[in-house]
Amino acid sequence: QKEVEQNSGPLSVPEGAIASLNCTYSDRGSQSFFWYRQYSGKSPELIMSIYSNGDKEDGRFTAQLNKASQYVSLLIRDSQPSDSATYLCAVRGGGNKLTFGTGTQLKVEL
Amino acid sequence: GAVVSQHPSRVICKSGTSVKIECRSLDFQATTMFWYRQFPKQSLMLMATSNEGSKATYEQGVEKDKFLINHASLTLSTLTVTSAHPEDSSFYICSVQRAGMDTEAFFGQGTRLTVV
Repeated sequence: QKEVEQNSGPLSVPEGAIASLNCTYSDRGSQSFFWYRQYSGKSPELIMSIYSNGDKEDGRFTAQLNKASQYVSLLIRDSQPSDSATYLCAVRGGGNKLTFGTGTQLKVEL
Repeated sequence: GAVVSQHPSRVICKSGTSVKIECRSLDFQATTMFWYRQFPKQSLMLMATSNEGSKATYEQGVEKDKFLINHASLTLSTLTVTSAHPEDSSFYICSVQRAGMDTEAFFGQGTRLTVV
């Protein structure tokens, strides 16, 4: 059973629209949650981190966490073609290890 | 600037040879580093946790005699793929993170290994 689940996509949105990426996790004891962006052939880069329930905003990005529902999401406002990438949800549980979802491919179309 | 430096970025080797990949923490001393492997269109899979001054901790199913990890200093960890085979061809990525639970992981540039 997968520990971190994401819809693989592709998720296609028009330029300027809001992209909504979702992630669920199975370990209720998880404390730290991260969103990474990965361009093809490159290593992941951190977009957002979130540790407590609620919303966290940083520029065009908003991360949302609901520990009761074991759900974390990422909203990208005013999507740009340069946002086209795979977005990886990562969850940290015991042992300080990160578990990654399979990623959601986002395509922002002109 | 970069927090983690990994090289080489790309390597092609013949079957049966060994390849060493280096990962350096540039911004802080790292007692722990992590090694991941990523196959095409799949997620990052943790291979092992590299511990400075002690043996690495390998994930289930990862052969410790094939993937040798050395963490000789607080800023350098190496992964050696021994007797490489075509099925070892993959994207290998290291990461470091500061001590504490609420800290982000920073990734190296990754190494694309192709075994021919």
